[in-house]
Amino acid sequence: EADIYQTPRYLVIGTGKKITLECSQTMGHDKMYWYQQDPGMELHLIHYSYGVNSTEKGDLSSESTVSRIRTEHFPLTLESARPSHTSQYLCASSEGGGVYEQFFGPGTRLTVL
Amino acid sequence: GENVEQHPSTLSVQEGDSAVIKCTYSDSASNYFPWYKQELGKRPQLIIDIRSNVGEKKDQRIAVTLNKTAKHFSLHITETQPEDSAVYFCAASYTGRRALTFGSGTRLQVQP
Repeated sequence: EADIYQTPRYLVIGTGKKITLECSQTMGHDKMYWYQQDPGMELHLIHYSYGVNSTEKGDLSSESTVSRIRTEHFPLTLESARPSHTSQYLCASSEGGGVYEQFFGPGTRLTVL
Repeated sequence: GENVEQHPSTLSVQEGDSAVIKCTYSDSASNYFPWYKQELGKRPQLIIDIRSNVGEKKDQRIAVTLNKTAKHFSLHITETQPEDSAVYFCAASYTGRRALTFGSGTRLQVQP
């Protein structure tokens, strides 16, 4: 079934650790996005990609980086995690060529101690 | 850039009553207006969307209206049920824009 997958679903790590949040989609979508969201609160766009080898920063300043080497894969990396990074991270995707519905993954809840 | 304002931030209604959530947008180029529902602990999911070539769209108990002149759009939920309790987000965008711009969300509580 076409879907968006995120791993891990929950992560608790110590300050200073490097982490990568994985996002994969089997929707066949060109566009992919990363949002940061405190539970039930506003969605903040932190990164987006139009396609392979295309990445841009979003509205919210973030110390994370992303890569898009394959269409279906859009990982997010934090080089040195801090307590201020504690949040939920949602990956999303949509069709290219116009403006369409964004489909969201289940999210990764990150806690940095 | 686009700015989307959403009101109210919280809304409590009795089961069976109607609920209305309103959003205004700033960029007159916007032509796509989706509404997402996010239940507790779940991912946001699209419940209805409207494009600027129509003024109203209905799907069973939910409807969205769009006023392009005033640059606002609204979500209407009739005969509310406890399972309608969730956070609702409006959004706006247009072809060529990088991503949807989301409103700040409305927490709807339906009291049984």
